Amino acid sequence: QKEVEQDPGPLSVPEGAIVSLNCTYSNSAFQYFMWYRQYSRKGPELLMYTYSSGNKEDGRFTAQVDKSSKYISLFIRDSQPSDSATYLCAIGGNNRLAFGKGNQVVVIP
Amino acid sequence: GAVVSQHPSWVICKSGTSVKIECRSLDFQATTMFWYRQFPKQSLMLMATSNEGSKATYEQGVEKDKFLINHASLTLSTLTVTSAHPEDSSFYICSASGGRYTGELFFGEGSRLTVL
Repeated sequence: QKEVEQDPGPLSVPEGAIVSLNCTYSNSAFQYFMWYRQYSRKGPELLMYTYSSGNKEDGRFTAQVDKSSKYISLFIRDSQPSDSATYLCAIGGNNRLAFGKGNQVVVIP
Repeated sequence: GAVVSQHPSWVICKSGTSVKIECRSLDFQATTMFWYRQFPKQSLMLMATSNEGSKATYEQGVEKDKFLINHASLTLSTLTVTSAHPEDSSFYICSASGGRYTGELFFGEGSRLTVL
């Protein structure tokens, strides 16, 4: 079983819709949870960081962590064409960092 | 925020030649830098962890004699792909640890290597 599972299937949504992304992980020792956004041919940039179960909001973005289910989510409200990118979940702990495969998101104007 | 610069962003080389990629932390000191490769529509795959002044720690399956990593200073790490072959063509990305949060990484812009 991979450490982090993220369904890579492309996701197309109309502008203004809510984008919902999620990852599951297998190792309960992981302590912190991140979402990165990666535009085409660019390096990833940190979008959200959290280390506890529950929700964390930053503008239109909400990160959700459920440690009991080993499940993390990212929600993007009022999606914009500029949100079109690949979103990678990353989970870390004990000096390790594991990445999901990434979700390609396309927001259609 | 912190900036990590990676150079070159694009490189095309002939099979059998060596290519060096540089990763610099521009406004902070990075005791640890990481090198990844990323194939199309795939996630980042950690290749090695580079600590300043010591030998890099390679992930299982990564040939350390082929992918030479040098972290000579707190702001510079280099990855040299030796005797490159077409299967080495990939997107190589570095990152440096230095953010506010434990585990926060700042990524370079990546280097696309094409080996003919």
